[in-house]
Parts: sequence; structure tokens; C-alpha cells
Amino acid sequence: NAGVMQNPRHLVRRRGQEARLRCSPMKGHSHVYWYRQLPEEGLKFMVYLQKENIIDESGMPKERFSAEFPKEGPSILRIQQVVRGDSAAYFCASSPKTLNYGYTFGSGTRLTVV
Amino acid sequence: SQQGEEDPQALSIQEGENATMNCSYKTSINNLQWYRQNSGRGLVHLILIRSNEREKHSGRLRVTLDTSKKSSSLLITASRAADTASYFCATDEGGSEKLVFGKGTKLTVNP
Repeated sequence: NAGVMQNPRHLVRRRGQEARLRCSPMKGHSHVYWYRQLPEEGLKFMVYLQKENIIDESGMPKERFSAEFPKEGPSILRIQQVVRGDSAAYFCASSPKTLNYGYTFGSGTRLTVV
Repeated sequence: SQQGEEDPQALSIQEGENATMNCSYKTSINNLQWYRQNSGRGLVHLILIRSNEREKHSGRLRVTLDTSKKSSSLLITASRAADTASYFCATDEGGSEKLVFGKGTKLTVNP
């Protein structure tokens, strides 16, 4: 069991470009969560998805950010027209059912906008 | 919203000593969880305590939960240098399906 796989580990984008972050949940996990972490900060919730459904996107900025979890393939967090303030570590987590089982986190994608 | 607030923000101890970290939260919860994060890595789930539980053990970890005070503590006994990491508490805010994390306690265990 490979755990939660995120790629790329590091991503550098110029201002105005698009960033695509991928997350493959653990086998058997149907719930995916995306979090953002700024240096020396805790994790901020962004979005919670199940297969083909966005369940809670209350933490997503209203513009430029979108997420999907298609029937086949990984979950994708997309950031359009990146700005310097988007630089952060983005973590994906998965769980089998509900929060009673805790999350399994990936190693994160560190996005740097130059 | 910031649900869990850990205290202290930073803690430095000697190997072999015990480390205690506290967490306070604001809304009702179904469970509270503790995670560890090594520098530059993802978070690792340590322990989950349900709202109807008062204490839970896992190896050298002991977690308590006081729902009347909306607080929890994580005790690491006989600490080791490898315990050096940031520790976060997280709650299911109001029983929702997402976890809300605090800013963490940065623990340094000196050999």
C-alpha cells in the first residue's frame, strides 16, 4: 500500500501561469481533502471531495482555485494565474469513510511562485 | 476558522523528559485528533480520542480530553531526539466532515 501519493513534490511557476497538483488517495479511501500550509503555520482546510463530487469547498478562494476528483484517476487541485501569495505547501489527505478513522496525509507539494 | 489552539507554541526539553502539549477548541466535537509533522514532511496521525472518552494511550503517548473545558493534552513520556517535530491537534468542527487544525507546538528534544 503506497499511501497517499502527491506529485510533484516541488513545483515552480511564474506569476500568471497555472499550477496543477495531483493526489492519489490510499487504496480503498473514497474521501479526499486538500489543505494549504504557510511557513510556521497550521493547515488551512480548502476542499473536501468524494468521487465525482465536491462535498465542502468552504475553504477555497472564490477565484482561480478549483478541485476535482474524477471517477478515474487522481484528485487535481488547479490554481490558475498564480500569484506570489499562492506560494505554500499543499497537502492532500484521504480517509476511508468518515473522520472516525483519521486522515492519511501525502508528503505535500511545495509550490513556489516566482 | 481557527478551532484548535495549541499551547505552548514551542517547547524545548532534554531527552528522557516528558513533554506536555495542550489544545483548546471552541465548538462541540465528535472527536479530537493529534498529528505529528517532521520538518518539510506531511502529517502523521498519532491518536484519535472520541468525545465520550477521557483518556487514551498509545505507546509513549497519553491523550486526555475534557469536553467541559473544551481542551485536550498530549503527553509524550521518556522523550527521544526522534520526537522532535511539530504537533498539531485537529477537531471535526461541529461534527463536520473536515478537520480544523491549530497552529501547532514545535517540540525540540535535545540529546
